[in-house]
Amino acid sequence: TQLLEQSPQFLSIQEGENLTVYCNSSSVFSSLQWYRQEPGEGPVLLVTVVTGGEVKKLKRLTFQFGDARKDSSLHITAAQTGDTGLYLCAGRTSGSARQLTFGSGTQLTVLP
Amino acid sequence: NAGVTQTPKFRVLKTGQSMTLLCAQDMNHEYMYWYRQDPGMGLRLIHYSVGEGTTAKGEVPDGYNVSRLKKQNFLLGLESAAPSQTSVYFCASSYSGTQETQYFGPGTRLLVL
Repeated sequence: TQLLEQSPQFLSIQEGENLTVYCNSSSVFSSLQWYRQEPGEGPVLLVTVVTGGEVKKLKRLTFQFGDARKDSSLHITAAQTGDTGLYLCAGRTSGSARQLTFGSGTQLTVLP
Repeated sequence: NAGVTQTPKFRVLKTGQSMTLLCAQDMNHEYMYWYRQDPGMGLRLIHYSVGEGTTAKGEVPDGYNVSRLKKQNFLLGLESAAPSQTSVYFCASSYSGTQETQYFGPGTRLLVL
C-alpha cells in the first residue's frame, strides 16, 4: 500500500495548457517536497512546504500544502515542453523524520 | 564539485551472483541513502546512514547490505542477486536528515537474469 498516492499517473497535454497534479495521503506529514526527474537522471528538488495551507510559487509552478498536511498539489500554468518529466511528491512524518516517503509519481508529457 | 556519483551506471547479473554498488559524494554531507525505483512504485528507501560508521534499515532492506566506512562513500551490496532486484538504484545525500534537500546521483540500472 502506497502511503502517498499521486494522480494522475500519466498526463499528456499540449504546450500552453494548464495542469494540476495531486498528492494524497491518510497520514499527516511534517513536511512535503516535490521533485522532478528527467530520463536517465536522479530526482531534483523543486520545493519544500512545511506549514498547513502554505502556497509557494516557482515561476509558472504553484505548490500548495493542504490545511491538514495530508495532501498537496502542483499546478503548472502555460506548460512548456521543458516541463516534461516525472513529478514526485515525498513526505516526512513526525515518527520517521529522517526518512522520505515517495509517491508513485506523475509522468507528464508536454507536446509541442 | 561532482555532487553525487554512482558506479557502475549499468550492470547485468545472473541469479545468485553478488555485486557492490558504490556511491560517492563530495559535499561533506552527513546523511546518505540508497533507494530503488521500480515502475509505478516511486522510490523506496533500502538503507540509509546518518554518519560515518552508522547504517539503518529503510522500507525494503531485505537482500541488501550497506557499509559507510568513509563519510563520503556509501556502498550497497547484493550478496545473492535475485530477479526481483532488477531495478534502478539511486543514491542520495543530504546535510542533515530533516527538511533538507536530498541530492541524487544519476542512478545504476541493474538487470538480474
